[in-house]
Amino acid sequence: QKEVEQDPGPLSVPEGAIVSLNCTYSNSAFQYFMWYRQYSRKGPELLMYTYSSGNKEDGRFTAQVDKSSKYISLFIRDSQPSDSATYLCAITGGFKTIFGAGTRLFVKA
Amino acid sequence: DADVTQTPRNRITKTGKRIMLECSQTKGHDRMYWYRQDPGLGLRLIYYSFDVKDINKGEISDGYSVSRQAQAKFSLSLESAIPNQTALYFCATSETRGDEQYFGPGTRLTVT
Repeated sequence: QKEVEQDPGPLSVPEGAIVSLNCTYSNSAFQYFMWYRQYSRKGPELLMYTYSSGNKEDGRFTAQVDKSSKYISLFIRDSQPSDSATYLCAITGGFKTIFGAGTRLFVKA
Repeated sequence: DADVTQTPRNRITKTGKRIMLECSQTKGHDRMYWYRQDPGLGLRLIYYSFDVKDINKGEISDGYSVSRQAQAKFSLSLESAIPNQTALYFCATSETRGDEQYFGPGTRLTVT
């Protein structure tokens, strides 16, 4: 079993839709949770960072962590074509960071 | 100018050739990483270095070696390239007490 599982998609939605991206993880020792966004032909960039269960909001983006279920989510409200990218979840603890496989998102105008 | 740069950006090489990928950073970070990215497998850690004198193997180090020439420079070598090393390679950096990693633009390597 992979330490982090993420559905690779692709996920295609119309502009304005609410997008839900999800990851599960197996090791409860990991305490910090991140979402990276990667545009085509670019390196990943940090989008959201959280370390506690619950929700963290930043503009149209909400990161949600449920440590009891080992489940993390990223919600995108009012999705835009510019949100089209690959979204990678990442979990970290101590010196180790594990990345999910990434979900490719297409937002159609 | 980009904070983390990688050269070359694209490379095609033949099986058995030695190849070096280079990474430079201007962020002043001590920690540097090399990853490869494959479709469906995500980012996998090859090597990491927490300072100039510290080199550690990652998840998939077989067939690779690294050199940390200075705080700002971290090179990845494929001693004898093979086709299943065809992938997108990323260098990243992070602060000593930070979890966020800053990635370079990547090197697309094709081994024929």
